[in-house]
Amino acid sequence: AQKVTQAQTEISVVEKEDVTLDCVYETRDTTYYLFWYKQPPSGELVFLIRRNSFDEQNEISGRYSWNFQKSTSSFNFTITASQVVDSAVYFCALSEVGYSTLTFGKGTMLLVSP
Amino acid sequence: EAGVAQSPRYKIIEKRQSVAFWCNPISGHATLYWYQQILGQGPKLLIQFQNNGVVDDSQLPKDRFSAERLKGVDSTLKIQPAKLEDSAVYLCASSPILAGVPTGELFFGEGSRLTVL
Repeated sequence: AQKVTQAQTEISVVEKEDVTLDCVYETRDTTYYLFWYKQPPSGELVFLIRRNSFDEQNEISGRYSWNFQKSTSSFNFTITASQVVDSAVYFCALSEVGYSTLTFGKGTMLLVSP
Repeated sequence: EAGVAQSPRYKIIEKRQSVAFWCNPISGHATLYWYQQILGQGPKLLIQFQNNGVVDDSQLPKDRFSAERLKGVDSTLKIQPAKLEDSAVYLCASSPILAGVPTGELFFGEGSRLTVL
């Protein structure tokens, strides 16, 4: 069975601090996708990134970066120089390749104060 | 491009009453999902459709929940009779298919928040 664990329930930082959100996953599949979604107070889940299990290259997109380590089954998300607009709940998710049902973690609430 | 549309945004009912939620996915997206998100938790899949066929409904409480996707476009999710523990946000999502395979990138609507008193 697939499982996604986000151990951090809530993180509070001050604007401009860097913050890392942890994600650990379990799967018996050798090929799978990992995702991060952002859920702002409005409630709509917004897709941030999808990584294939064969691609362990780290990715950077502006202030966002992702560190995928298959050896530790982790897919961590770092926000550099956080901003108040980054305040949201962030979900890590997992799916089998070719079968798009996502298994979500419980989410990490990030609060960025001015 | 229009996003996933859901209605109503909010609904308050008493237990044992019934409720229905509607979803219109992104045009051309073959795969449609209903997720239940209880406060403080991640979304949990209720049912997945591909076109108008059910792919996965293993976590749908079929004694009270039903869903349909007539004509492979819009979908409705119904709860009858509702229980207190059904209070949650019901999220609809859609996903495109590429070369016959779901891409795995889900586009979510804003959700329908249900409160059961």
